[in-house]
Amino acid sequence: KAGVTQTPRYLIKTRGQQVTLSCSPISGHRSVSWYQQTPGQGLQFLFEYFSETQRNKGNFPGRFSGRQFSNSRSEMNVSTLELGDSALYLCASSFDRVITEAFFGQGTRLTVV
Amino acid sequence: KNEVEQSPQNLTAQEGEFITINCSYSVGISALHWLQQHPGGGIVSLFMLSSGKKKHGRLIATINIQEKHSSLHITASHPRDSAVYICAARQGAQKLVFGQGTRLTINP
Repeated sequence: KAGVTQTPRYLIKTRGQQVTLSCSPISGHRSVSWYQQTPGQGLQFLFEYFSETQRNKGNFPGRFSGRQFSNSRSEMNVSTLELGDSALYLCASSFDRVITEAFFGQGTRLTVV
Repeated sequence: KNEVEQSPQNLTAQEGEFITINCSYSVGISALHWLQQHPGGGIVSLFMLSSGKKKHGRLIATINIQEKHSSLHITASHPRDSAVYICAARQGAQKLVFGQGTRLTINP
């Protein structure tokens, strides 16, 4: 059974650009949540999706958005990139809406220059 | 003050030692998760606790809901246990609030 797949693994963008990151959950999993990890702030919750609906959002500006498709794949988008957006972005999938066991992807390392 | 606090932040021990990592939280939780992160970023879920104690191999996790405290123990530690261990308080269905992590190094 394939794990959670995040693409791309590495990305370099310029300030002001936008970026889209993708997360394919484990087959059959319906929930996807996104997290940002930086050396200064550690891991922080971004959003959670279940059945194509955003159920909760963390304390991030509106430049951060996401969506979930009918096949449970999810994308997150960051517009008008800032240097501080450089981070490891992780997604996790779980079978049901309530996380009993979260399966994490390897993450996308975004560098903004 | 962070909502989830871990101690110690760094821990170095010799192979075979008994390891304890502590996690205290100040928020209401639906469950407490322990995660392991290896260099390169991959995160593995170790335990989810809502009460009592769980054991998996050499790893044991306990939680005291009244005291808002959880511990992760590693018995007979091994260099391959070297990683960052993170506790995360689950609020509601999916929102995780993370501790800052404990970097564990086990020397042979």
